[in-house]
Amino acid sequence: EAQVTQNPRYLITVTGKKLTVTCSQNMNHEYMSWYRQDPGLGLRQIYYSMNVEVTDKGDVPEGYKVSRKEKRNFPLILESPSPNQTSLYFCASSLLGGPTGELFFGEGSRLTVL
Amino acid sequence: AQRVTQPEKLLSVFKGAPVELKCNYSYSGSPELFWYVQYSRQRLQLLLRHISRESIKGFTADLNKGETSFHLKKPFAQEEDSAMYYCAPPTPPGNNRKLIWGLGTSLAVNP
Repeated sequence: EAQVTQNPRYLITVTGKKLTVTCSQNMNHEYMSWYRQDPGLGLRQIYYSMNVEVTDKGDVPEGYKVSRKEKRNFPLILESPSPNQTSLYFCASSLLGGPTGELFFGEGSRLTVL
Repeated sequence: AQRVTQPEKLLSVFKGAPVELKCNYSYSGSPELFWYVQYSRQRLQLLLRHISRESIKGFTADLNKGETSFHLKKPFAQEEDSAMYYCAPPTPPGNNRKLIWGLGTSLAVNP
């Protein structure tokens, strides 16, 4: 089944403790992206990647890092999480050059930073 | 930035009533737009894409270049339509990487 898989789905952590949220897709998509969703603020892009080893900042990159060493994986790294990073995070992927530009989303990862 | 805006954060209607979720864009040229839906505790999923002109779950959306709009409509709302709806630009964004999603409209269909 074609899908985008995120882990963990739920995480409670403390300020300053490094964490990684993994994202994997099995559709051979070149484009991958991370978003955070907050009440009243909609979906905001954190980072995106057009292909392996090609990443770029989105609208709210501060406090986050990403890497794209393999086409299928695009982990989101919080080196020193802070409470304002408490949010619902979505990973998404898309086919570059595809006819529709449709994004395929993961199920989301709810992160709480105490 | 080229922006998509959704002026309503919350829209509440009764079952069986018509519903229209507004979306406006600030693109130049020919825009490509999508509607995504997020049901409670589920992932976002594509509802409609403007190029297909199809109807999904009774929803339709027409691109109006004169009004720069892509409003989502359904003649008779159902309770299962209650969800968060996002109007969105295409991804990847092409030449201009700075494309802003709408903030979303929460639709509540009351019995």
